[in-house]
Amino acid sequence: SQTIHQWPATLVQPVGSPLSLECTVEGTSNPNLYWYRQAAGRGLQLLFYSVGIGQISSEVPQNLSASRPQDRQFILSSKKLLLSDSGFYLCAQSAGGVRNEQFFGPGTRLTVL
Amino acid sequence: AQRVTQPEKLLSVFKGAPVELKCNYSYSGSPELFWYVQYSRQRLQLLLRHISRESIKGFTADLNKGETSFHLKKPFAQEEDSAMYYCALSGSTGANNLFFGTGTRLTVIP
Repeated sequence: SQTIHQWPATLVQPVGSPLSLECTVEGTSNPNLYWYRQAAGRGLQLLFYSVGIGQISSEVPQNLSASRPQDRQFILSSKKLLLSDSGFYLCAQSAGGVRNEQFFGPGTRLTVL
Repeated sequence: AQRVTQPEKLLSVFKGAPVELKCNYSYSGSPELFWYVQYSRQRLQLLLRHISRESIKGFTADLNKGETSFHLKKPFAQEEDSAMYYCALSGSTGANNLFFGTGTRLTVIP
């Protein structure tokens, strides 16, 4: 079965500091990987997705970037955090192809002060 | 462009009463619709998808292409149904991307 790990679970960072959130998956090979953000009072917004190592697609322009250095590792980064980056970040994975169920990680709560 | 609308942020019903969580969508192609649920202190997980046409935990959802809706229904709500519910749409392209609504928090009052 698929297992998704995310860390840290919570993070408080000052404005202007860098960010690195990590997601690793188990139990599947060559998955599609996704980063979502849930801001207060808003739905889940897709930030990035990846269909393979080194392949990153961005859905919205923003202060964040993503990387996939290994098949089962997905990293969300920022060089300088903004207040608006605060939110709940979810990593998800699915089998390749379209219209497959997505499995979600436990999430990281990021607060930028 | 695709869009998923859940008009109710909060919904409260009494135990045993029927419940309907509304979802409307906008998509130019042939979408697949999902309902995801997040119970307290649990991960977001798939509840059901329209292509399966099955009932999960007593919930059903019918895709109405004419009204572009995918409302989630249950005839008799239970306390354990209290959770956050998200309607989501997957298009026919784009690496299986899901577009989520803003979610509805359902509270079932005992």
